[in-house]
Amino acid sequence: DAEITQSPRHKITETGRQVTLACHQTWNHNNMFWYRQDLGHGLRLIHYSYGVQDTNKGEVSDGYSVSRSNTEDLPLTLESAASSQTSVYFCASSRDRGMNTEAFFGQGTRLTVV
Amino acid sequence: RKEVEQDPGPFNVPEGATVAFNCTYSNSASQSFFWYRQDCRKEPKLLMSVYSSGNEDGRFTAQLNRASQYISLLIRDSKLSDSATYLCAVSPEKLTFGTGTRLTIIP
Repeated sequence: DAEITQSPRHKITETGRQVTLACHQTWNHNNMFWYRQDLGHGLRLIHYSYGVQDTNKGEVSDGYSVSRSNTEDLPLTLESAASSQTSVYFCASSRDRGMNTEAFFGQGTRLTVV
Repeated sequence: RKEVEQDPGPFNVPEGATVAFNCTYSNSASQSFFWYRQDCRKEPKLLMSVYSSGNEDGRFTAQLNRASQYISLLIRDSKLSDSATYLCAVSPEKLTFGTGTRLTIIP
């Protein structure tokens, strides 16, 4: 079955370190998204991509970067981890842009920055 | 004003009751509307899409009101297993989520 997987599921890192969270989908979806979820804020969009070599900033992109070198993967990098980036991170993918933009989510990565 | 707004709740509802949630959105160009369900510490999962004509799936009914820019979710004959957080999502192109409404069904 097609799926979307995130790794690691849990990570603890130190302030200032670079961290990369992996996201891999096997649906061959063009669109991929990274969200963070925090209490009181819901899901907030960090970065997204509509295809290979395409990346776009979301509403909370500062301190994060992504790259899209193939259809299947959209790794999220925290350039210099900060305590404010402690959160649960969800990757998602969808087939279409406009209508039918139903998104499928990975299981999440719980990141703690100490 | 947030792009998508929901009452965070919590809604504590007795088993068997009917409960309704609303979600308002600000972008009139939005074309796609969804309700997602999220269980504690899990990923959101699609509950149902919301169509202009409204749609029903068993005990769940979703409605769209474009004029007033809101979507609604009605759950009839609520079950204990309906306890979860319900997120609305709206999209002109990329999905924007509300903060979610926490629902607890009480035996």
